[in-house]
This record gives sequence, structure tokens and C-alpha cells, in this order.
Amino acid sequence: GESVGLHLPTLSVQEGDNSIINCAYSNSASDYFIWYKQESGKGPQFIIDIRSNMDKRQGQRVTVLLNKTVKHLSLQIAATQPGDSAVYFCAETDSGGGADGLTFGKGTHLIIQP
Amino acid sequence: DTEVTQTPKHLVMGMTNKKSLKCEQHMGHRAMYWYKQKAKKPPELMFVYSYEKLSINESVPSRFSPECPNSSLLNLHLHALQPEDSALYLCASSQERARGHEQFFGPGTRLTVL
Repeated sequence: GESVGLHLPTLSVQEGDNSIINCAYSNSASDYFIWYKQESGKGPQFIIDIRSNMDKRQGQRVTVLLNKTVKHLSLQIAATQPGDSAVYFCAETDSGGGADGLTFGKGTHLIIQP
Repeated sequence: DTEVTQTPKHLVMGMTNKKSLKCEQHMGHRAMYWYKQKAKKPPELMFVYSYEKLSINESVPSRFSPECPNSSLLNLHLHALQPEDSALYLCASSQERARGHEQFFGPGTRLTVL
């Protein structure tokens, strides 16, 4: 199975509300995590990253939380806007001897209701 | 210049054709990647180049042949593809191969094999 996965394929929120997108991973050696946003017809766009020596990191309107105990990652988007509609992927790399490419989770489609 | 460019944007080819996908970046990145993304699925790693040398081939069939002519360019040569190879092909780059460096993605080439 995949080493990184997501709990929900689709998340619908009201414009202005906060969104929380979750991700679970199984590789204990994972030490670097990234959230990407992918709009229709475009490549993934970097949102925010976090290393395993941190449990929280904040950006502009976004916060990533990392819980290594339960191998869980979340992305919080504050005051969701129509432009936030996209598919969100978590991705990870590990410090073991594996590939340097990213392993992506299944993705969550965020839908913004007016 | 902080972007990865890919050409062509769209490509339709027959199973007997030979075609090439091109990727370019001018950020001085020394690692470049090819990913394949099927509809409604996450990107999957195909190849990793580090300092212009192929470092990872994720068991990709030989009908896909990568090439890195210099540190700014990455090609993917296609020959005798199958209809199931139809997908979005994404190129990415990062500062170096070492883990923990953000990967920047291009917009992708939408490939259709007839």
C-alpha cells in the first residue's frame, strides 16, 4: 500500500470558514513533509513544508501540524476563499536509503461553497 | 526565473510514433525529476537525475527514455507507447538531490496515446 494517505477524498466548506485537510503516513523514517495544491490543468504548487523536528509551522493563512506519535499531518487554511478550490496533496520523503523523489498521498479535493 | 517550463503542453501520438517531452529550469537546481499522473490520482515518481546523472529509475518500462543534456534541461523520449500511458507528465526540480529540499513542478504535458 501507499506510505502516505488521506482520510477524505472531498471536503466541502463555506467561503470564509476554516478548512482542515488531514493526512496519515506509515513510514516512521519520514522526516520531511510538504503540502501541495494542484488546480485543474496545472502542476502541483508548493504551499508549505515541515521537517520532523517541528510539530507546527505557519505560513500566510496556512498552518501545518505534524504529530509524529500517530503519524498524522494536517493542513489548516484560514478564511477559505474561492481561489483555494483545488486538490491538496501531502507528500513525504524519508531519511532512509530509499528514493529521493516524493511519495504523494491520494489527495483531497477542496470545494468552496459560496 | 523561478519556474519550471514544459513543452509541449499537449501531445497526441500513435503507438508507433516517437516523440519527446522537454523540461527546462534556470534556477540552478541540480536535481530534476519526471513524474506521471493519471486522472484523479497523485503523481508517481518515474526518474530522478542528480548532477545530470540518472540516479533513480522507478522500474519504468524502456519505452520511456530520459535524457539530461545539461543541468537546465531534462527530456523524456517516448517510443512505442500504449494507450494506458496516457497521462499528465510532470517535471520537477530541486536545489539538490538531498532530501528536504522543496521540489518545484512544471505545468505538465498532457499526453494522449491513441
